[in-house]
Amino acid sequence: DAGVIQSPRHEVTEMGQEVTLRCKPISGHDYLFWYRQTMMRGLELLIYFNNNVPIDDSGMPEDRFSAKMPNASFSTLKIQPSEPRDSAVYFCASSLYNQETQYFGPGTRLLVL
Amino acid sequence: ELKVEQNPLFLSMQEGKNYTIYCNYSTTSDRLYWYRQDPGKSLESLFVLLSNGAVKQEGRLMASLDTKARLSTLHITAAVHDLSATYFCAVPRPPPNTGKLIFGQGTTLQVKP
Repeated sequence: DAGVIQSPRHEVTEMGQEVTLRCKPISGHDYLFWYRQTMMRGLELLIYFNNNVPIDDSGMPEDRFSAKMPNASFSTLKIQPSEPRDSAVYFCASSLYNQETQYFGPGTRLLVL
Repeated sequence: ELKVEQNPLFLSMQEGKNYTIYCNYSTTSDRLYWYRQDPGKSLESLFVLLSNGAVKQEGRLMASLDTKARLSTLHITAAVHDLSATYFCAVPRPPPNTGKLIFGQGTTLQVKP
């Protein structure tokens, strides 16, 4: 298995632009998680899905952030409009329903100028 | 509120020395996870501790779990430079938030020659 796949790996954009991050979980995994990591705040869970349904989005910082999972093999995290404080590394992770070990993707490094 | 706290947050040590990283958590859990993150990389699962008294070892790292004390330790024996990384512990959130892990702040280990 190729593991969790994220794209793009790096994104540089200007404030106010829309940013879309993409994730393909490991095949057969039922859970999908979006995290954000910064030096100041550490690793934060933004939202997670179970069987494509959002379970807990309490970590989404504000309405500018939205996430979807239209099918079991694809999820997006969108920021619109982006702001410099959104600059971070965004990780996607997935896990099996009966195992809690989460497998992380390589991350997307986002820089908002 | 479930809290997972690691101590220390930063550790600089000489090669060949021994040290222990501590992970305390505030809720009952019989499972705990350790992850490793190399600089600029993603998180990788290191150990899965599934019961009280569980001990896992890989190379110079040994992890243990005491569920009664709500404490896990990650012991480093005769550190080498390759162990330089950030180590995270994580505890599963109780139902109904099944599948969700709460991560500690991370302990950054720097091993100097």
